[in-house]
Amino acid sequence: DAGVTQSPTHLIKTRGQQVTLRCSPISGHKSVSWYQQVLGQGPQFIFQYYEKEERGRGNFPDRFSARQFPNYSSELNVNALLLGDSALYLCASSLSYNEQFFGPGTRLTVL
Amino acid sequence: GENVEQHPSTLSVQEGDSAVIKCTYSDSASNYFPWYKQELGKGPQLIIDIRSNVGEKKDQRIAVTLNKTAKHFSLHITETQPEDSAVYFCAAKGNFNKFYFGSGTKLNVKP
Repeated sequence: DAGVTQSPTHLIKTRGQQVTLRCSPISGHKSVSWYQQVLGQGPQFIFQYYEKEERGRGNFPDRFSARQFPNYSSELNVNALLLGDSALYLCASSLSYNEQFFGPGTRLTVL
Repeated sequence: GENVEQHPSTLSVQEGDSAVIKCTYSDSASNYFPWYKQELGKGPQLIIDIRSNVGEKKDQRIAVTLNKTAKHFSLHITETQPEDSAVYFCAAKGNFNKFYFGSGTKLNVKP
């Protein structure tokens, strides 16, 4: 069975640019969550979507936004990139509100 | 909001020995506590979880205990093997489906 997939694998942007990250959940999973993981730290919760509706939001600025599509895939958008946005962005899918299964992540570097 | 603290930050054990990682949480409303293993360059992998109505759960060499009164939970790995070497994260699910992660424990199992 295919796990959670994320694209792209790596991304390099400059300050002020915008970026879109993509995630496809495990087949049958209707919930997608996004996390930011800075090197050497645990993942920080950004958003959770269930059935295309936002069900949870972490303490991130409005520059971060997301959406979930009818096929349950999801996009995370970050506007006006800052150097501090450099991190591994993880997507997790779940069948319920509990067990989450993570993808390999997208490594974003902001120069 | 929830605050999850994890100790130790690094742990080195001899192959065959046991390893214990401890986490505390602050929000008594948290009701789900997963543990993840993250290998270099990969996303976190769910290895075991426990719900707040259970005190202990075991899966082969891995066990998790939960003390709701003291607000702490622990991961126990017995008969450690070199392939157990990785970074381990605890997490707690709080209100509004937000997941809070600890800062991670780097486990090194020496052959």
